[in-house]
Amino acid sequence: EPEVTQTPSHQVTQMGQEVILRCVPISNHLYFYWYRQILGQKVEFLVSFYNNEISEKSEIFDDQFSVERPDGSNFTLKIRSTKLEDSAMYFCASSEALWQRLHFGNGTRLTVT
Amino acid sequence: GDSVTQMEGPVTLSEEAFLTINCTYTATGYPSLFWYVQYPGEGLQLLLKATKADDKGSNKGFEATYRKETTSFHLEKGSVQVSDSAVYFCALSERYGGSQGNLIFGKGTKLSVKP
Repeated sequence: EPEVTQTPSHQVTQMGQEVILRCVPISNHLYFYWYRQILGQKVEFLVSFYNNEISEKSEIFDDQFSVERPDGSNFTLKIRSTKLEDSAMYFCASSEALWQRLHFGNGTRLTVT
Repeated sequence: GDSVTQMEGPVTLSEEAFLTINCTYTATGYPSLFWYVQYPGEGLQLLLKATKADDKGSNKGFEATYRKETTSFHLEKGSVQVSDSAVYFCALSERYGGSQGNLIFGKGTKLSVKP
């Protein structure tokens, strides 16, 4: 079965640095998502993306965050100036159509020191 | 706002034991309900879902029934195996306003099955 792939699996960065998390969604999928899970907390929705623009975002997704689909295959999440509280597991997901099953990647564990 | 509450873990069972993981939800409309599973080192995978009241979702021996009267979607399996050891997430998705089908998750329940 096709998979969503995320790289890197683990990223360590210093507070204040910019970080880019990368995802390759399933090739025929049109809807893309980022979720995060702070250790011991719920998996939280960050943003959804369709037709090269953000379709919905949560209150977590502030000006520090941005998403991009730079080349038709990758889907990236950028955090401009990381904070300690950004440490979490970040999951990318994609779906073929709205209201269809979400396929998740294995996640990127971001550690901000 | 919408929310999902599931039982705290970890849950440790012996092989062939009966499993129940409780999940209750709060929603303003008529959500679809899901159970996702995360095996060690892997991403979230859809285990089963139910889209309306009294629907039963089932997969791999797991079942959950959408109970509107009790706002619950408890996950059950009659006889667990060591390979069922994973983290289980209850989630909902609600169609209203401009929602794009985003999932609202519970905290997850870690299940460990001992041989």
